[in-house]
Amino acid sequence: QVQLQQWGAGLLKPSETLSLTCAVYGGSVSGYYWSWIRQPPGKGLEWIGEINHGGSTNYNPSLKSRVTLSVDTSKNQFSLNLTSVTAADTAMYYCARGLPQPYSWFNYWGQGTLVTVSS
Amino acid sequence: DIQMTQSPSSLSASVGDRVTITCQASQDISIYLNWYQQKPGKAPKLLIYDVSNLETGVPSRFSGSGSGTDFTLTISSLQPEDIATYYCQQYDNLPPTFGQGTKLEIK
Repeated sequence: QVQLQQWGAGLLKPSETLSLTCAVYGGSVSGYYWSWIRQPPGKGLEWIGEINHGGSTNYNPSLKSRVTLSVDTSKNQFSLNLTSVTAADTAMYYCARGLPQPYSWFNYWGQGTLVTVSS
Repeated sequence: DIQMTQSPSSLSASVGDRVTITCQASQDISIYLNWYQQKPGKAPKLLIYDVSNLETGVPSRFSGSGSGTDFTLTISSLQPEDIATYYCQQYDNLPPTFGQGTKLEIK
């Protein structure tokens, strides 16, 4: 059974960089697209972007200028960096697995990491 | 971006009721429509993909239908464990987008 375990700093100041990592257990990062999705408190879901094992990426245009996704196949994990955060980036951040093709559905999810941006 | 609009935003129903949630896309998305269930404090869970295909392990009381711009999620007989927020999601165009959610409560 595939499991995703994610971690990263939960409290940031404005202008800092958000960094989260998601490790894949019970499966391989190879062969799938891996996404980051966020959810502001009490609100809906926003897709941030995705990456596959070869490093091919797709980003949400609304965040593209601030987002970098990376993958480390040797560690079976992938990461999110979001620069210049503001209070609007406060959200629960999830990693999730898609399909071998880009942007589809998400059938495995991490437990979520609450990131709060506050001065 | 394709806008996904769900209705109602919240719904109160009794155990055993038939419940229907609708999702409308701002443009034709063919069959590229998925449904998720999210319980409080938990990650979303995939229920249905490509309009009507049940994810493994999802009870058969859940079903989906529609095409183009109008889609529905139906729970044939509401159970207490179905209390959650439900989201639709399109993947016809980048970026994938979600509806605003429908919060389902027990009456």
